[in-house]
Amino acid sequence: NAGVMQNPRHLVRRRGQEARLRCSPMKGHSHVYWYRQLPEEGLKFMVYLQKENIIDESGMPKERFSAEFPKEGPSILRIQQVVRGDSAAYFCASSQGLRRTEAFFGQGTRLTVV
Amino acid sequence: EDKVVQSPLSLVVHEGDTVTLNCSYEVTNFRSLLWYKQEKKAPTFLFMLTSSGIEKKSGRLSSILDKKELFSILNITATQTGDSAVYLCAVERGGGADGLTFGKGTHLIIQP
Repeated sequence: NAGVMQNPRHLVRRRGQEARLRCSPMKGHSHVYWYRQLPEEGLKFMVYLQKENIIDESGMPKERFSAEFPKEGPSILRIQQVVRGDSAAYFCASSQGLRRTEAFFGQGTRLTVV
Repeated sequence: EDKVVQSPLSLVVHEGDTVTLNCSYEVTNFRSLLWYKQEKKAPTFLFMLTSSGIEKKSGRLSSILDKKELFSILNITATQTGDSAVYLCAVERGGGADGLTFGKGTHLIIQP
């Protein structure tokens, strides 16, 4: 859905660098979800945030990954010291309320680690 | 751990054929099941199913849920090349704050 904006659309990083993925939710949406889609696999939930709060990060790898959704500005998914296995499509979805079934997805950021 | 299994993983048919995509699930405290269509970009929402036996329809697409046998099917009749996509099934758990659990998807190719 064009309303959820993710950038960049494509990101290439060398091993060991940092990757920053941005997600601007639809206007009026205060709930953001990040998903990762690895090659040949379905979407996997990573983290759920509301403004200034991480509500559930049960799907986030314990190290190198972090997410934030500040009061002003987009939600950021940050991956430090990237490795080849981090190469994937990262999707963000936003919703107005708690019902993640009503979330709209962004176009995704395709991260390639070389 | 919640599980969503889709079958087949890939399917090639000719234009005009009817296809049935399957999704079975195991989830604690099931709330709803959703179908999405993904064409090399953002998944787009198709259906949300919460009650058994009630068919949801949208044009040539329809879907139904069986909560006793824990599965859903997505039917596409009179297929067109524009139906070529990956079809994703996801389940929502009630009471929790986590995201949806997705299956791996069915890659559907419609040949002219």
